[in-house]
Amino acid sequence: EDQVTQSPEALRLQEGESSSLNCSYTVSGLRGLFWYRQDPGKGPEFLFTLYSAGEEKEKERLKATLTKKESFLHITAPKPEDSATYLCAVIPGTYKYIFGTGTRLKVLA
Amino acid sequence: NAGVTQTPKFQVLKTGQSMTLQCAQDMNHEYMSWYRQDPGMGLRLIHYSVGAGITDQGEVPNGYNVSRSTTEDFPLRLLSAAPSQTSVYFCATRRGQGDTEAFFGQGTRLTVV
Repeated sequence: EDQVTQSPEALRLQEGESSSLNCSYTVSGLRGLFWYRQDPGKGPEFLFTLYSAGEEKEKERLKATLTKKESFLHITAPKPEDSATYLCAVIPGTYKYIFGTGTRLKVLA
Repeated sequence: NAGVTQTPKFQVLKTGQSMTLQCAQDMNHEYMSWYRQDPGMGLRLIHYSVGAGITDQGEVPNGYNVSRSTTEDFPLRLLSAAPSQTSVYFCATRRGQGDTEAFFGQGTRLTVV
């Protein structure tokens, strides 16, 4: 069964304290792994797509990496405005998104 | 360029009532879908459409109907609302069925009492 698991469920960081969010997956025929950011009361907003093991993408303080079993979203020197829920999703051979339950990140000033 | 527009933003229904959640996009995307988001469950696919006139069921379709008469609109109908349908509903579009990023609406928060 295709499955996506994110950890931790919630994370509190001090401003400037770097950390990583994990997304582990079990899918048949991975066609892409996606990271989204979701702010309270809003829809998810696209961050990155990764297609193959070893691939990395960066955007400001965020860096996403991919292995054959998991993806990491590294947050370097976070700021309070990085506080949000970060969602991981995969597209397997069925072409339908499978979402994880997300990691709620809170960055304290 | 509004992207994906959902209406209403909030709705309270009584058990047994019916209603339609609206979704409109101006991105000319072929693929549209409806998700519900519940605490601890993640986003779950209700129904999707790969183009006008074509719809199919997702993971949790029971109690919902959809139709796709135009590329722009993809309404979600609740036939007889139940408390279990209390959730936040998101409409999303993609350029195609393949491995592309999704664009989401702002969501509709539905409460069934």
